[in-house]
Amino acid sequence: QVTLKESGPALVKPTQTLTLTCTFSGFSLSTSGMRVSWIRQPPGKALEWLARIDWDDDKFYSTSLKTRLTISKDTSKNQVVLTMTNMDPVDTATYYCARMRLPQGGFDYWGQGTLVTVSS
Amino acid sequence: EVVLTQSPGTLSLSPGERAALSCRASESVTSSYLAWYQQKPGRAPRLLIYGASSRATGIPDRFSGSGSGTDFTLSISRLEPEDFAVYFCQHYGNSLYTFGQGTKVEIK
Repeated sequence: QVTLKESGPALVKPTQTLTLTCTFSGFSLSTSGMRVSWIRQPPGKALEWLARIDWDDDKFYSTSLKTRLTISKDTSKNQVVLTMTNMDPVDTATYYCARMRLPQGGFDYWGQGTLVTVSS
Repeated sequence: EVVLTQSPGTLSLSPGERAALSCRASESVTSSYLAWYQQKPGRAPRLLIYGASSRATGIPDRFSGSGSGTDFTLSISRLEPEDFAVYFCQHYGNSLYTFGQGTKVEIK
């Protein structure tokens, strides 16, 4: 059974760095073709893809946010960590992690999401 | 970076009717890398279609995907009450991923 769960602070102050952890089970990120991404969704708005890490440790970032994002994985702990620097109130959103498995494609499993509010 | 534009923004239909949702890409994309998701309030998105036309596991056959190049369509043959939700398309290229802005299917 595949599960993913996001964890991290519910509230951060402007200019702080956000660290989110995605803890997953039921698959291994060292298996060829596996990818885990972070996606966010401001209240009432569309989904926005943020970053991705692959089984071979390749990493990709949203063009508009790449200077603020870092993604990493700990295969032994089944975790993927996202850090976002210089948080702003516009970054208030529900943050999801999700799995993609090649060659199928598409995010077939998602975490429940965690709401992060940026406010002083 | 591929920009996906979905239309219409809102679709008002009655149960039993057919829905057709459009997703247009800013440049030609490989059909293999186009997905559709359904999202209900307070829930994570659910994968419906991958590879433009393949249904994900457990998805009813009233959902179908089609298209190629820059124009893709999600069709729902007969709307069930549980189908009223927001739908997103997504391009998952070799490097960057993008989502459309969503189409809300509401009860008329």
